[in-house]
Amino acid sequence: AQSVAQPEDQVNVAEGNPLTVKCTYSVSGNPYLFWYVQYPNRGLQFLLKYITGDNLVKGSYGFEAEFNKSQTSFHLKKPSALVSDSALYFCAVREYGNKLVFGAGTILRVKS
Amino acid sequence: EAGVTQFPSHSVIEKGQTVTLRCDPISGHDNLYWYRRVMGKEIKFLLHFVKESKQDESGMPNNRFLAERTGGTYSTLKVQPAELEDSGVYFCASSAGRGHPEQYFGPGTRLTVT
Repeated sequence: AQSVAQPEDQVNVAEGNPLTVKCTYSVSGNPYLFWYVQYPNRGLQFLLKYITGDNLVKGSYGFEAEFNKSQTSFHLKKPSALVSDSALYFCAVREYGNKLVFGAGTILRVKS
Repeated sequence: EAGVTQFPSHSVIEKGQTVTLRCDPISGHDNLYWYRRVMGKEIKFLLHFVKESKQDESGMPNNRFLAERTGGTYSTLKVQPAELEDSGVYFCASSAGRGHPEQYFGPGTRLTVT
């Protein structure tokens, strides 16, 4: 079965600093990987996906993610964090049949 | 383009009662999914429709849960009778299908069973 792990329950970063939210995966075959963000009292919003091609994927709101096959990682990054980026972030992998398998989520807190 | 909508946003019911959740996917999306997040745990898959057909219902916890998608448009998820452990947030998502694997989620329905 496919799985993803988000090793950090919470990430704290100062506004203007670069941020990284970590995700590692365990899959058989080529992975389809996704990042979603959930703001308070809102649903999950799609940020970006990796299917194939360039290892650096660009997404919404200035976020990007780097697919690293040798390290089985798909870390979410942003060069300069905003207070408004504070939210709950989920990494997910597509399993056979299109269903998504999610990580436990990482709370990102950006302080001004 | 309207996103995925869900109704109600919140529902509080007593153990043993019935609740029906509704999801309206993005127009034109043949794929519709139900997920739920219980007690702050991982978001778990429940089932997947392709148009009106159940493609995968491997995540449905038991026969107290019944999902339908008549006509391949909106979907309902009925819990009957509800138990305390059914409390959580139920998310609906839709996707366009082949070539577009990303799923777009609704705001969720928070179900509380007392």
